[in-house]
Amino acid sequence: NAGVMQNPRHLVRRRGQEARLRCSPMKGHSHVYWYRQLPEEGLKFMVYLQKENIIDESGMPKERFSAEFPKEGPSILRIQQVVRGDSAAYFCASSPKAPGQGTNNEQFFGPGTRLTVL
Amino acid sequence: AQTVTQSQPEMSVQEAETVTLSCTYDTSENNYYLFWYKQPPSRQMILVIRQEAYKQQNATENRFSVNFQKAAKSFSLKISDSQLGDTAMYFCALTTSGTYKYIFGTGTRLKVLA
Repeated sequence: NAGVMQNPRHLVRRRGQEARLRCSPMKGHSHVYWYRQLPEEGLKFMVYLQKENIIDESGMPKERFSAEFPKEGPSILRIQQVVRGDSAAYFCASSPKAPGQGTNNEQFFGPGTRLTVL
Repeated sequence: AQTVTQSQPEMSVQEAETVTLSCTYDTSENNYYLFWYKQPPSRQMILVIRQEAYKQQNATENRFSVNFQKAAKSFSLKISDSQLGDTAMYFCALTTSGTYKYIFGTGTRLKVLA
């Protein structure tokens, strides 16, 4: 059973360009979470999605950032008009059930995408 | 609000020795889970050990064990017989039952010296 997959692993963009980060959850997992890790900091929650639904985007900046998890295909985190402050590692995690549904709340993390904005 | 605090930005330990990483947390919930993650230079987040708050027994995974002090809201990680491969950032994390947000500490950078 393959783990959570993220691509690309490294992404370089110039200021003003768009960044698209992809996440394929573990097989059988329909809950996806995105986290951002700024340099020298811990991970911070951005958004929680289920198939075709955004459940909680309270941790995501209101402008330029969007996320989706379509019925088919990977979850996408999109950052428009990137700025230097967007440089960070972006982690995706997945879980098989919604929190509280008889699980131990464990999320399985992908390897992350390191975004560098020049 | 829930918080996780790691007060040791950096630590070092000699190979084969034992080291303890500190973590304190705050939550008003009774049901919660605590985790230690290892992040090597590859940046992959690797789950080291997990503790359910309702379990009194401290979790153990081979050379890794925790000292879970619920009343003091303390969750330290002990690494025994340290190996060079243990060199990494270590993050303490908290999540409560029924929620999905993981709250991470700022990490402790551990260096194992040969």
